Amino acid sequence: DGGITQSPKYLFRKEGQNVTLSCEQNLNHDAMYWYRQDPGQGLRLIYYSQIVNDFQKGDIAEGYSVSREKKESFPLTVTSAQKNPTAFYLCASSIRGARGTEAFFGQGTRLTVV
Amino acid sequence: GQNIDQPTEMTATEGAIVQINCTYQTSGFNGLFWYQQHAGEAPTFLSYNVLDGLEEKGRFSSFLSRSKGYSYLLLKELQMKDSASYLCAVSFRGSGYSTLTFGKGTMLLVSP
Repeated sequence: DGGITQSPKYLFRKEGQNVTLSCEQNLNHDAMYWYRQDPGQGLRLIYYSQIVNDFQKGDIAEGYSVSREKKESFPLTVTSAQKNPTAFYLCASSIRGARGTEAFFGQGTRLTVV
Repeated sequence: GQNIDQPTEMTATEGAIVQINCTYQTSGFNGLFWYQQHAGEAPTFLSYNVLDGLEEKGRFSSFLSRSKGYSYLLLKELQMKDSASYLCAVSFRGSGYSTLTFGKGTMLLVSP
């Protein structure tokens, strides 16, 4: 079955440590996205990538980094520079193009920094 | 700007009809999506509007007026399982591609 896989579902880290969240898709989608969701809030865009080896900052990129070495994979690193990293992180993918297209979401990773 | 507004919370009774509104202020409008999200889960796609008018899909319908920057999601014959957050998302056209900007979501509580 095609889809997006995020791992792990729950992640705990000590303050000051970098942590990498995994996102893999086998939908053959060109575009991939990372969103952050805080309680009672909508989704805020962190980074997005429209094609391999290229990515763009979203609205809240500070303290995060990404890479897109393969079409299927778009890992997100939460660095120690991110002041408030505890949140629910969602990865999504869509068909690249000029028309608006539906985004398919992974199941999310809930990161808790203690 | 990409300001998307929707009510924070709504309540309704099982079997009733509820309308969730969404207004947006964005240039480069390229379509509007509605997603449903249950607590702790990923959003799931409900509907897509790019032209003015009503799109119907079973118990769910979505309406768009591009000139007014307005959309609504209509849920009929409400069921308890419809209790969830409903996210309005606007597709923004950039340099040959699109990204999705989300509103803060409307938490719908369906009571017996």
